[in-house]
Amino acid sequence: QVQMKETGPGLVQTTQTLSVTCTVSGFSLTSYGVHWVRQAPGKGLEWMGIIWGDGSTNYNSALKSRLSISRDTSKSQVFLTMNSLQTDDTAVYYCAEGTMVHWGQGVMVTVSS
Amino acid sequence: NIVMTQSPKSMSISVGDRVTMNCKASQNVGNNIAWYQQKPGQSPKLLIYYASNRYTGVPDRFTGGGYGTDFTLTINSVQAEDAAFYYCQRIYNSWTFGGGTKLELK
Repeated sequence: QVQMKETGPGLVQTTQTLSVTCTVSGFSLTSYGVHWVRQAPGKGLEWMGIIWGDGSTNYNSALKSRLSISRDTSKSQVFLTMNSLQTDDTAVYYCAEGTMVHWGQGVMVTVSS
Repeated sequence: NIVMTQSPKSMSISVGDRVTMNCKASQNVGNNIAWYQQKPGQSPKLLIYYASNRYTGVPDRFTGGGYGTDFTLTINSVQAEDAAFYYCQRIYNSWTFGGGTKLELK
């Protein structure tokens, strides 16, 4: 069965770079895309971007200048990297399989000065 | 960029009632809409895809409709476990979410 799990630093300083990893099982990253979605405390869902099975990417235009999504297919891992963090980047970060049927449980990231 | 607007922001419904929530796209998106349910502390769960297709295992009291710019999610005979946030999403090209509708039970 498909499983997805996010791991991240928990706390990051403002202006620093965030790195979150999504480890998947039950499907191949070369066959299906993986989305990143975040949710600030008490707020709605924000789609961040996707890495497709062929390795190409699409990003939310509002985040594109700060965001990078990459992967290591040998480890079944997808990486989210976002720079120049501010306090309003505090959120739960989710990865989801390409159809958005399967989601990880999310990882809370707090950005603090 | 396409903007997805959901209404109302919240609603309070009694068990057994029928409820309809709305999602409006700022441009024609065809039937490229999905609906999700999210309960506190949980990840979103897919309910409806391509505007009107119920995902496997979703109770048939959930019905999606619409095309183009105006979409609806209807829950017939609301149950206590349906209390949650509901989000629409444009799928393909940019997977933009609406702001959500909070469904509370009286």
